[in-house]
Amino acid sequence: QVRLQESGPGLVKPSETLSLTCSVSGGFINDFYWSWIRQPPGKGLEYIGYLYYSGSANSNPSLSTNYNPSLESRVTMSVDASQSKIYLKLTSVTAADTAVYYCAGGSLVARLWGQGAQVIVTS
Amino acid sequence: DIQMTQSPSTLSASVGDRVSITCRASQSLSRWLAWYQQKPGEAPSLLIAQASKLESGVPSRFSGSGSGTEFTLTISSLQPDDFATYYCQQYDSYPWTFGQGTKVQI
Repeated sequence: QVRLQESGPGLVKPSETLSLTCSVSGGFINDFYWSWIRQPPGKGLEYIGYLYYSGSANSNPSLSTNYNPSLESRVTMSVDASQSKIYLKLTSVTAADTAVYYCAGGSLVARLWGQGAQVIVTS
Repeated sequence: DIQMTQSPSTLSASVGDRVSITCRASQSLSRWLAWYQQKPGEAPSLLIAQASKLESGVPSRFSGSGSGTEFTLTISSLQPDDFATYYCQQYDSYPWTFGQGTKVQI
């Protein structure tokens, strides 16, 4: 059974960079859409972006990403396929970036979810 | 961006009631719409994809319908475990967007 686990600092200072890791266990990360979605306290869900990785020992890996235009200038998603980890970086954070950050995966829709990582932006 | 509007925002109901939640899109989605359930302190859970396809393990009292710009999630007989917040999400075009949520409460 595939499981997702987010990890990273729970506190980030304003103007600094938020960095989170999604560890995927029980399966491969190939050929899946891996999304980051966040939820500010007491509010709804916001799509941050997705990463799609396709690769094997016999072919060159390919990676595509798509980010929410509202965050695109500050977001980077990346992958370490050898460790089955997906990364999120969000630069120049403000209090508005305080949220629970979820890693999710699926063929297109988010069928698998991590338990979420709470991130608070505070000085 | 495609705007997703759910109604109602809050729904008060009793065990055994039939309830429906509507999700309207600002432009046509074909059938690229999903429904999620979220309980307090938990991650969302996928209920329905492609507007009406029930995910494996989801009780059959849940159903989805609609196409184009109007979609409905129906719970045929509300159970205690169903009191939660429900979100629709379009995945027709990027950025994927969610409705604001509908809280189903007693």
